[in-house]
Amino acid sequence: EPEVTQTPSHQVTQMGQEVILRCVPISNHLYFYWYRQILGQKVEFLVSFYNNEISEKSEIFDDQFSVERPDGSNFTLKIRSTKLEDSAMYFCASSEDWVGQGVSPLHFGNGTRLTVT
Amino acid sequence: SQQGEEDPQALSIQEGENATMNCSYKTSINNLQWYRQNSGRGLVHLILIRSNEREKHSGRLRVTLDTSKKSSSLLITASRAADTASYFCATLRMDSSYKLIFGSGTRLLVRP
Repeated sequence: EPEVTQTPSHQVTQMGQEVILRCVPISNHLYFYWYRQILGQKVEFLVSFYNNEISEKSEIFDDQFSVERPDGSNFTLKIRSTKLEDSAMYFCASSEDWVGQGVSPLHFGNGTRLTVT
Repeated sequence: SQQGEEDPQALSIQEGENATMNCSYKTSINNLQWYRQNSGRGLVHLILIRSNEREKHSGRLRVTLDTSKKSSSLLITASRAADTASYFCATLRMDSSYKLIFGSGTRLLVRP
């Protein structure tokens, strides 16, 4: 069964450094998302992406964050200048169709654990 | 504002028993979904229920939705040790097109 893959599985970075988290969504999916989860707590929405542009973002997703689909397969999340509080598990997800259709669930990758020291 | 809060936060049962988890939300929704997360892994979709549906079944899972009470429940029947995981409800609000909002989850432990 096709799956969402994320790399790396664990990233350690120093405060102030830029990080890029990578995701390969399922190939025929059109909608892409980033979520994060701090230490087994609530899963928080960051951003959704469709048709090569951000369709919705949360208040967490400030100008330190950006997303890109640089080619036909990858979907990346960049954090420009990491802070200690950015330490979390970051999950990429994709869906075949608009989630509001009530047909297409989100398919999640296994996440990238980001540790900012 | 928070949307989708699960109750209880943690649940411990014996294998073979039924597990019931509840989810409450605050605003009108388009649909509600339940996901499962094994420790250190991504979330896996279990079941989706639309706002005009009241009950849905999938194998040992039964989900109900009461839009008047703004609540949903997930019932796992005849639980197995392999059902041990965290379970999250997620809602798509009517005023939001793309933002599926997750609750805090219920940690289920099924003792063999």
